[in-house]
Amino acid sequence: QVQLVESGGGVVQPGRSLRLSCAASGLTFGSYGMHWVRQAPGKGLEWVAVISYDGSNKYYTDSVKGRFTVSRDNSKNTLYLQMNSLRADDTAVYYCAKDTSYYGDFDYWGQGTLVTVSS
Amino acid sequence: EIVLTQSPDFQSVTPKEKVTITCRASQSIGSNLHWYQQKPDQSPKLLIKYASQSISGVPSRFSGSGSGTDFTLTINSLEAEDAAAYYCHQSRSLPRTFGQGTKLEIK
Repeated sequence: QVQLVESGGGVVQPGRSLRLSCAASGLTFGSYGMHWVRQAPGKGLEWVAVISYDGSNKYYTDSVKGRFTVSRDNSKNTLYLQMNSLRADDTAVYYCAKDTSYYGDFDYWGQGTLVTVSS
Repeated sequence: EIVLTQSPDFQSVTPKEKVTITCRASQSIGSNLHWYQQKPDQSPKLLIKYASQSISGVPSRFSGSGSGTDFTLTINSLEAEDAAAYYCHQSRSLPRTFGQGTKLEIK
């Protein structure tokens, strides 16, 4: 069965950095695009970033461009999100999600990891 | 960016009622529209893909329709376990976007 397990969340001061990981199992990880989606407390879902199956293509929502970097290590079946210059409005639960194709749905999601940006 | 607008934002319904949630896209997205259910303190779960395609393991009371800019999620004979937030999501273009969500409360 497919499992996606995020880690790396925590409390961080504004302006600092954090790296999230998403460990995948039960699938051929290197065959699928992967996404990060976040959800601020009590709010809706916000798409953050995507990385293609081989890592050659990446795309970000405007609010994180230049601050966040998505990457992957297919040999380790792991997706990453490097978050720099964190702001209070980055506070959210961060989910990784597996794509089914370029125009596809998200068929599997992780359980999420909470990032709190606060002084 | 494609904006998805759901209605209603909130609905209080009784068991066995039929519920309809709509999602309108700011431009045509074909059938590249998917629906998710999110229960409190859980991750989102895929309910319907490509506007109307069912998902294995999802109860048959959930169905979807629409294409272009107007889409509908229908829940027939609502059950208490359907209390959740529901989101539409477009995969036609980047950035991917979600509707603002519809919260269903069971009376």
